Amino acid sequence: SQQGEEDPQALSIQEGENATMNCSYKTSINNLQWYRQNSGRGLVHLILIRSNEREKHSGRLRVTLDTSKKSSSLLITASRAADTASYFCARGAQKLVFGQGTRLTINP
Amino acid sequence: NAGVTQTPKFQVLKTGQSMTLQCAQDMNHEYMSWYRQDPGMGLRLIHYSVGAGITDQGEVPNGYNVSRSTTEDFPLRLLSAAPSQTSVYFCASRRTDTQYFGPGTRLTVL
Repeated sequence: SQQGEEDPQALSIQEGENATMNCSYKTSINNLQWYRQNSGRGLVHLILIRSNEREKHSGRLRVTLDTSKKSSSLLITASRAADTASYFCARGAQKLVFGQGTRLTINP
Repeated sequence: NAGVTQTPKFQVLKTGQSMTLQCAQDMNHEYMSWYRQDPGMGLRLIHYSVGAGITDQGEVPNGYNVSRSTTEDFPLRLLSAAPSQTSVYFCASRRTDTQYFGPGTRLTVL
């Protein structure tokens, strides 16, 4: 399979804490994207980081990319109950390849 | 804009039946694609299209057909449904690098 590896598969934290999810991949990339999926819904695009970028921010989200280690991480700061969802990394151009996702649960 | 719409939301088929999952977008995006998502898994690409009249295979195309006669519509046809095609199907359209997903169709094949 071309799918990347994401870890952890599941993460449960208290509201207000930070959540970190990791994504590793095997082939070279032009960019890497992160998506969120709420239960039973379609995916929503969160952020895209290009191969020449090392870090990118969007609100409470911070994404890092280490092309030498072929890995990326997504940090959600000051988590909220509404952040409970599955998070996926994806890479590719014409053919987007998704990781298996991290299921994040924020406990009140 | 309605974005990406999919019909039906739910469908139950018997093995061997055929059906078409509908997908439409009103954002004038050239690129559209179909994915399937199995429990606990990420999305896998079935077919995609870079414009009207142009389609290509993704990672898991067997058992599915697509056509693209207009920019707006990209239907997915199951030729002879099998239990292995039980899944949630998502359609997406894309402008530059960002994909916009529909709400999905949950398909069960008995």
